[in-house]
Amino acid sequence: GQQLNQSPQSMFIQEGEDVSMNCTSSSIFNTWLWYKQDPGEGPVLLIALYKAGELTSNGRLTAQFGITRKDSFLNISASIPSDVGIYFCAGQNYGGSQGNLIFGKGTKLSVKP
Amino acid sequence: GAGVSQSPRYKVAKRGQDVALRCDPISGHVSLFWYQQALGQGPEFLTYFQNEAQLDKSGLPSDRFFAERPEGSVSTLKIQRTQQEDSAVYLCASSYRQGAPYGYTFGSGTRLTVV
Repeated sequence: GQQLNQSPQSMFIQEGEDVSMNCTSSSIFNTWLWYKQDPGEGPVLLIALYKAGELTSNGRLTAQFGITRKDSFLNISASIPSDVGIYFCAGQNYGGSQGNLIFGKGTKLSVKP
Repeated sequence: GAGVSQSPRYKVAKRGQDVALRCDPISGHVSLFWYQQALGQGPEFLTYFQNEAQLDKSGLPSDRFFAERPEGSVSTLKIQRTQQEDSAVYLCASSYRQGAPYGYTFGSGTRLTVV
């Protein structure tokens, strides 16, 4: 099935560092979403973006909806150990009988050894 | 309940066995989705219900996969004659609005291992 292009696939973080990841698609979406998934759990919504160009923050997280509606990025500032996990972007076109999410393959954040 | 509940959390099935996975959405949620998440991948859409109506089943990988939501609340995903490639985490998600421009609330999933 279709999956979005998400990068990087993995990265190591040191406490206090800023982190950036992005997601691109060959098709446009009405909504971009960012989720975090911890081991053994389902994805949890972090940020939802509804308008092209929109920049939204949620605490230390900032995400932007690209103006072409085909990309989005997520920044995490001043990372802390509990930021470790897998982050997924997802695109959505809602309305009518639609609304299913198309996910990226994920960016795995781990702590630097 | 407070969240989306899925059972069982883990299921080991012998190849060829039939399995049934259950999802209890958040009370009052109209929309219900099933996703399949293979190891190291993002979730992939399987099927969508609005109340009891299955409006989209385009993601079901074969006719061995069947989902139902007869009373518009609890949903069951059934996989017949399981194969090794069916091994994955099966996630259920629900939302209170039809086609809502929001993310959905996911359950913790059922991890299916076919041996």
